[in-house]
Amino acid sequence: GESVGLHLPTLSVQEGDNSIINCAYSNSASDYFIWYKQESGKGPQFIIDIRSNMDKRQGQRVTVLLNKTVKHLSLQIAATQPGDSAVYFCAENADSWGKLQFGAGTQVVVTP
Amino acid sequence: DAGITQSPRHKVTETGTPVTLRCHQTENHRYMYWYRQDPGHGLRLIHYSYGVKDTDKGEVSDGYSVSRSKTEDFLLTLESATSSQTSVYFCAISGGLAGGRTDTQYFGPGTRLTVL
Repeated sequence: GESVGLHLPTLSVQEGDNSIINCAYSNSASDYFIWYKQESGKGPQFIIDIRSNMDKRQGQRVTVLLNKTVKHLSLQIAATQPGDSAVYFCAENADSWGKLQFGAGTQVVVTP
Repeated sequence: DAGITQSPRHKVTETGTPVTLRCHQTENHRYMYWYRQDPGHGLRLIHYSYGVKDTDKGEVSDGYSVSRSKTEDFLLTLESATSSQTSVYFCAISGGLAGGRTDTQYFGPGTRLTVL
C-alpha cells in the first residue's frame, strides 16, 4: 500500500547548525503534508504544514519544501537549538476524512 | 496545547478487563481521532469520528470500540484488554475539511496503558 517514510532514523546535529530532515511519500494523490515534533513523554506537536499547490513554506526557524516530481518532503530547521532535540514525523493526507498516514519518525539529537 | 485532555494519563490493568480512555476537547472541532503509538510502528489510526454518533474504523480497529455522544468527548473502549494492547494512546482533533480541504490535526498528551 501507500506509505510515508523517512530516509534517516537518527540525525545528529551540532548546536547552531541547520538541520534537514527528509521524508519520502508514495501516494501521488496526497494533497496535504504536516510535520510534527514529539518530545519524550509528550504528544506530537504541530510544526508546519504545506499543501500540494505550494513547493515551499516558511515558519519561525523552519522551512518545509515539497517536491511533487520526486514525491519528497523536507523540513529544514535553522540554527538548531538543544530544545529542537526530539522525534520528527512527517504525515500525509490523501483522504477526504482527514485521515493522516505517518512516517516512522526521525530522532534529532542536538550536540553542544 | 489545543484544548485537548486525555484521561487517565497512565493506567495498568489486567488481561481480560475492560478499559475506557477518554478524550475531551474544548475547541468544538468536528473530527476526533484515536491513535496508538508503538516502537517500530509509529502512529496508527484506531478509530475516528466525523461528528456526534458518527464514527468509522481505522487501520488497527480490532479489539477496540468508540463512542461519541457529545462533540467534546470521544471515548475509546477496550472490551477485553490484551497484552498486545499495551501502548501509548493519543487522541487528536481537527476542524476538518476547512474550505473543502483537510485541516491540521492537533494531539492530546497521551495515555500510557499497560496490560499485564
